[in-house]
Amino acid sequence: DVKVTQSSRYLVKRTGEKVFLECVQDMDHENMFWYRQDPGLGLRLIYFSYDVKMKEKGDIPEGYSVSREKKERFSLILESASTNQTSMYLCASSSPLDRVNTEAFFGQGTRLTVV
Amino acid sequence: AQKVTQAQTEISVVEKEDVTLDCVYETRDTTYYLFWYKQPPSGELVFLIRRNSFDEQNEISGRYSWNFQKSTSSFNFTITASQVVDSAVYFCALSEVNYGGATNKLIFGTGTLLAVQP
Repeated sequence: DVKVTQSSRYLVKRTGEKVFLECVQDMDHENMFWYRQDPGLGLRLIYFSYDVKMKEKGDIPEGYSVSREKKERFSLILESASTNQTSMYLCASSSPLDRVNTEAFFGQGTRLTVV
Repeated sequence: AQKVTQAQTEISVVEKEDVTLDCVYETRDTTYYLFWYKQPPSGELVFLIRRNSFDEQNEISGRYSWNFQKSTSSFNFTITASQVVDSAVYFCALSEVNYGGATNKLIFGTGTLLAVQP
């Protein structure tokens, strides 16, 4: 059974804290993504990575950074958490488009509350 | 710019009714993929279907069917004889091809909340 696993289901942090959200996939996928989901806004891409140590900004990268030191792990970092970063965070992974199955697989999500 | 529009924010139906979820997309790419995902109350997005831009054949999978029309840039999703277990948020998504096809960044619509009443 393929898996994308996020380290926490629920997280409560204080304003100004540095926050790490971890994501691990076991499908040997090249691509990994971090999205945030907010009511009425759908899923918005924060960062993505198409290879180890490679990263690209998505649509809303401000206030976030990422790290991909190993193929299976993609970390999202909130350098100094703020209340407007309270959200549901979803990690996903996928194969490149030249493969047969290219759908993205998602983790269960991390609901982060910044107080 | 790449964009996906799901104009229906919420739909409520009674069990056994048919329901269609609309999806309209915009893209400059000639090669692209369209997806539908289901997000049940548990939160995890579940993949339903992928369509590439060269394949306009409609697809049926059990009670689910999809209608892809390039002429109107639409990729609509119909559930026949809806059931309470179909209650979820449904997302339509468009892949953006980057780096020669190496990565398939997904652009999501805002989702449609489907509530099926018993």
